[in-house]
Amino acid sequence: QVTLRETGPALVRPTQTLTLTCTFSGFSLSTSGMCVSWIRQPPGKAPEWLARIDWEDDKSYSTSLKTRLTISKDTSKKQVVLTMTNMDPVDTATYFCVRTEYDYLWGSYRHHYWGQGTLVTVSS
Amino acid sequence: DIQLTQSPSFLSASVGDRVTITCRASQAISSFLAWYQQKPGKAPNLLIYAPSTLQSGVPSRFSGSGSGTEFTLTISSLQPEDFATYYCQQLNSSPFTFGQGTKLDIK
Repeated sequence: QVTLRETGPALVRPTQTLTLTCTFSGFSLSTSGMCVSWIRQPPGKAPEWLARIDWEDDKSYSTSLKTRLTISKDTSKKQVVLTMTNMDPVDTATYFCVRTEYDYLWGSYRHHYWGQGTLVTVSS
Repeated sequence: DIQLTQSPSFLSASVGDRVTITCRASQAISSFLAWYQQKPGKAPNLLIYAPSTLQSGVPSRFSGSGSGTEFTLTISSLQPEDFATYYCQQLNSSPFTFGQGTKLDIK
Protein backbone atom coordinates (compact mmCIF):
# COMPACT_ATOMS: atom_id res chain seq x y z
CA GLN A 1 0.00 0.00 0.00
CA VAL A 2 1.42 3.35 -1.07
CA THR A 3 1.27 6.16 1.47
CA LEU A 4 2.88 9.58 1.65
CA ARG A 5 2.85 11.97 4.58
CA GLU A 6 3.99 15.58 4.65
CA THR A 7 5.40 17.09 7.82
CA GLY A 8 6.60 20.58 8.59
CA PRO A 9 5.67 23.81 10.32
CA ALA A 10 2.11 25.07 10.06
CA LEU A 11 3.24 28.69 10.49
CA VAL A 12 6.26 30.37 8.96
CA ARG A 13 7.35 34.00 9.32
CA PRO A 14 8.05 36.09 6.23
CA THR A 15 11.68 35.78 4.97
CA GLN A 16 12.14 32.48 6.83
CA THR A 17 13.03 29.19 5.14
CA LEU A 18 10.41 26.45 4.95
CA THR A 19 11.51 22.84 5.25
CA LEU A 20 8.99 20.12 4.44
CA THR A 21 9.60 16.40 4.71
CA CYS A 22 7.73 13.73 2.79
CA THR A 23 7.90 10.29 4.38
CA PHE A 24 6.61 7.54 2.14
CA SER A 25 6.02 3.81 2.13
CA GLY A 26 4.99 1.15 -0.34
CA PHE A 27 7.59 1.95 -2.98
CA SER A 28 11.29 2.65 -3.43
CA LEU A 29 12.82 5.77 -4.95
CA SER A 30 15.59 3.64 -6.36
CA THR A 31 13.17 1.83 -8.68
CA SER A 32 13.45 2.85 -12.32
CA GLY A 33 10.73 5.33 -13.24
CA MET A 34 9.90 6.30 -9.68
CA CYS A 35 9.86 9.95 -8.61
CA VAL A 36 8.46 12.20 -5.92
CA SER A 37 7.02 15.62 -6.69
CA TRP A 38 5.89 18.55 -4.59
CA ILE A 39 2.74 20.40 -5.61
CA ARG A 40 1.11 23.22 -3.68
CA GLN A 41 -2.36 24.71 -3.74
CA PRO A 42 -3.20 28.15 -2.34
CA PRO A 43 -6.64 28.32 -0.71
CA GLY A 44 -9.35 28.40 -3.37
CA LYS A 45 -6.86 28.25 -6.24
CA ALA A 46 -5.49 25.71 -8.69
CA PRO A 47 -2.59 23.43 -7.85
CA GLU A 48 0.92 24.59 -8.74
CA TRP A 49 3.69 22.12 -9.55
CA LEU A 50 6.91 22.95 -7.65
CA ALA A 51 9.60 20.31 -8.04
CA ARG A 52 10.41 16.68 -8.79
CA ILE A 53 13.23 14.33 -7.91
CA ASP A 54 13.66 11.02 -9.69
CA TRP A 55 15.22 7.61 -9.17
CA GLU A 56 18.51 8.80 -10.68
CA ASP A 57 18.55 11.88 -8.43
CA ASP A 58 17.73 14.18 -11.33
CA LYS A 59 15.84 17.25 -10.20
CA SER A 60 13.41 19.58 -11.90
CA TYR A 61 12.02 22.88 -10.57
CA SER A 62 9.30 25.40 -11.21
CA THR A 63 10.65 28.10 -13.50
CA SER A 64 9.39 30.96 -11.34
CA LEU A 65 10.53 29.44 -8.02
CA LYS A 66 13.73 27.62 -8.93
CA THR A 67 16.02 30.10 -7.17
CA ARG A 68 14.18 29.46 -3.90
CA LEU A 69 13.64 25.68 -4.04
CA THR A 70 15.81 22.71 -3.22
CA ILE A 71 14.62 19.11 -3.35
CA SER A 72 16.60 16.17 -2.02
CA LYS A 73 16.04 12.54 -1.11
CA ASP A 74 17.20 9.97 1.38
CA THR A 75 16.35 6.68 -0.28
CA SER A 76 17.14 4.52 2.74
CA LYS A 77 14.94 6.63 5.03
CA LYS A 78 12.22 6.82 2.36
CA GLN A 79 12.11 10.58 2.66
CA VAL A 80 12.12 13.55 0.30
CA VAL A 81 12.80 17.03 1.61
CA LEU A 82 11.76 20.32 0.02
CA THR A 83 13.19 23.61 1.18
CA MET A 84 11.85 26.98 0.10
CA THR A 85 13.73 30.12 1.08
CA ASN A 86 12.53 33.67 1.66
CA MET A 87 8.92 32.76 2.39
CA ASP A 88 6.23 35.34 1.67
CA PRO A 89 2.51 35.49 2.53
CA VAL A 90 1.70 34.58 -1.10
CA ASP A 91 3.35 31.21 -0.40
CA THR A 92 0.50 30.32 1.97
CA ALA A 93 -0.84 27.05 0.60
CA THR A 94 -1.42 23.38 1.19
CA TYR A 95 1.74 21.55 0.14
CA PHE A 96 1.33 18.04 -1.27
CA CYS A 97 3.88 15.30 -1.67
CA VAL A 98 3.07 13.12 -4.70
CA ARG A 99 4.38 9.80 -5.93
CA THR A 100 5.14 10.33 -9.59
CA GLU A 101 5.82 7.52 -12.03
CA TYR A 102 7.50 7.85 -15.38
CA ASP A 103 5.31 5.93 -17.79
CA TYR A 104 7.66 4.51 -20.42
CA LEU A 105 4.76 3.57 -22.69
CA TRP A 106 3.28 7.06 -22.66
CA GLY A 107 6.56 8.95 -22.44
CA SER A 108 5.65 11.15 -19.52
CA TYR A 109 4.79 11.24 -15.84
CA ARG A 110 1.73 10.35 -13.80
CA HIS A 111 0.95 11.93 -10.43
CA HIS A 112 -0.95 9.02 -9.00
CA TYR A 113 -0.59 8.87 -5.24
CA TRP A 114 -0.92 12.06 -3.19
CA GLY A 115 -0.34 12.73 0.47
CA GLN A 116 -3.11 14.44 2.43
CA GLY A 117 -1.21 17.73 2.27
CA THR A 118 0.00 20.11 4.93
CA LEU A 119 -1.24 23.69 5.22
CA VAL A 120 1.55 26.22 5.59
CA THR A 121 0.60 29.76 6.54
CA VAL A 122 3.09 32.57 6.09
CA SER A 123 2.37 35.43 8.44
CA SER A 124 4.15 37.71 10.84
CA ASP B 1 5.76 28.12 -19.33
CA ILE B 2 2.78 26.48 -21.04
CA GLN B 3 -0.56 28.03 -20.06
CA LEU B 4 -3.72 25.94 -19.79
CA THR B 5 -7.16 27.52 -20.03
CA GLN B 6 -10.20 25.54 -18.95
CA SER B 7 -13.76 26.32 -19.96
CA PRO B 8 -16.14 26.78 -18.45
CA SER B 9 -14.83 27.84 -15.02
CA PHE B 10 -18.22 27.00 -13.46
CA LEU B 11 -20.80 24.50 -14.58
CA SER B 12 -24.20 23.68 -13.13
CA ALA B 13 -25.73 20.38 -14.13
CA SER B 14 -28.15 17.72 -12.96
CA VAL B 15 -27.70 14.06 -12.14
CA GLY B 16 -27.84 12.10 -15.38
CA ASP B 17 -26.59 14.97 -17.55
CA ARG B 18 -23.72 14.64 -20.00
CA VAL B 19 -21.09 17.33 -19.45
CA THR B 20 -17.94 18.33 -21.27
CA ILE B 21 -15.03 20.39 -19.99
CA THR B 22 -12.45 21.83 -22.36
CA CYS B 23 -8.76 22.48 -21.73
CA ARG B 24 -6.74 24.55 -24.21
CA ALA B 25 -2.95 24.77 -24.16
CA SER B 26 -0.95 27.82 -25.19
CA GLN B 27 1.24 25.59 -27.35
CA ALA B 28 1.08 22.05 -28.66
CA ILE B 29 1.59 19.41 -25.98
CA SER B 30 1.00 16.27 -28.08
CA SER B 31 -0.97 13.85 -25.87
CA PHE B 32 0.70 14.84 -22.59
CA LEU B 33 -2.36 15.87 -20.62
CA ALA B 34 -4.01 14.55 -17.47
CA TRP B 35 -7.29 15.27 -15.72
CA TYR B 36 -7.92 15.34 -11.96
CA GLN B 37 -10.99 15.49 -9.77
CA GLN B 38 -10.78 17.29 -6.44
CA LYS B 39 -13.32 17.35 -3.64
CA PRO B 40 -13.20 19.89 -0.79
CA GLY B 41 -10.44 19.23 1.72
CA LYS B 42 -8.96 16.39 -0.33
CA ALA B 43 -5.99 15.98 -2.63
CA PRO B 44 -6.59 15.88 -6.38
CA ASN B 45 -7.37 12.43 -7.72
CA LEU B 46 -5.93 11.34 -11.08
CA LEU B 47 -8.76 10.39 -13.44
CA ILE B 48 -7.37 10.25 -16.95
CA TYR B 49 -4.02 10.65 -18.68
CA ALA B 50 -2.46 10.21 -22.13
CA PRO B 51 -5.16 11.91 -22.55
CA SER B 52 -7.77 9.16 -22.95
CA THR B 53 -6.47 6.42 -20.62
CA LEU B 54 -8.56 5.90 -17.52
CA GLN B 55 -6.62 5.49 -14.32
CA SER B 56 -7.40 2.15 -12.68
CA GLY B 57 -10.62 2.28 -10.68
CA VAL B 58 -12.09 5.31 -12.44
CA PRO B 59 -15.66 4.72 -13.69
CA SER B 60 -16.14 4.34 -17.41
CA ARG B 61 -18.56 7.28 -17.55
CA PHE B 62 -15.43 9.45 -17.56
CA SER B 63 -13.61 9.83 -20.88
CA GLY B 64 -10.94 12.08 -22.30
CA SER B 65 -9.86 13.06 -25.78
CA GLY B 66 -7.76 15.50 -27.74
CA SER B 67 -4.24 16.20 -28.83
CA GLY B 68 -2.09 19.16 -29.66
CA THR B 69 -3.71 22.17 -28.01
CA GLU B 70 -7.32 21.17 -27.37
CA PHE B 71 -8.56 18.51 -24.98
CA THR B 72 -11.88 17.51 -23.46
CA LEU B 73 -13.10 15.65 -20.41
CA THR B 74 -16.57 14.19 -20.72
CA ILE B 75 -18.77 12.68 -18.04
CA SER B 76 -21.47 10.71 -19.84
CA SER B 77 -24.08 10.55 -17.07
CA LEU B 78 -23.42 12.62 -13.96
CA GLN B 79 -23.64 10.86 -10.62
CA PRO B 80 -24.00 12.63 -7.26
CA GLU B 81 -20.38 11.85 -6.36
CA ASP B 82 -19.12 13.62 -9.51
CA PHE B 83 -19.87 17.11 -8.25
CA ALA B 84 -16.39 18.46 -7.63
CA THR B 85 -13.69 20.63 -9.18
CA TYR B 86 -11.81 19.33 -12.20
CA TYR B 87 -8.30 20.31 -13.28
CA CYS B 88 -6.25 19.57 -16.36
CA GLN B 89 -2.44 19.39 -16.21
CA GLN B 90 0.08 19.35 -19.02
CA LEU B 91 3.02 16.96 -18.75
CA ASN B 92 4.74 17.88 -21.98
CA SER B 93 7.44 20.04 -20.45
CA SER B 94 8.46 21.29 -17.01
CA PRO B 95 7.00 23.09 -15.20
CA PHE B 96 3.94 20.84 -15.37
CA THR B 97 1.28 23.53 -15.23
CA PHE B 98 -2.39 23.14 -14.27
CA GLY B 99 -5.51 24.73 -15.65
CA GLN B 100 -7.45 27.11 -13.40
CA GLY B 101 -10.15 24.53 -12.71
CA THR B 102 -13.81 23.90 -13.49
CA LYS B 103 -16.21 23.74 -10.57
CA LEU B 104 -19.11 21.41 -11.30
CA ASP B 105 -22.09 21.83 -9.02
CA ILE B 106 -25.64 20.63 -8.79
CA LYS B 107 -28.29 22.61 -10.65
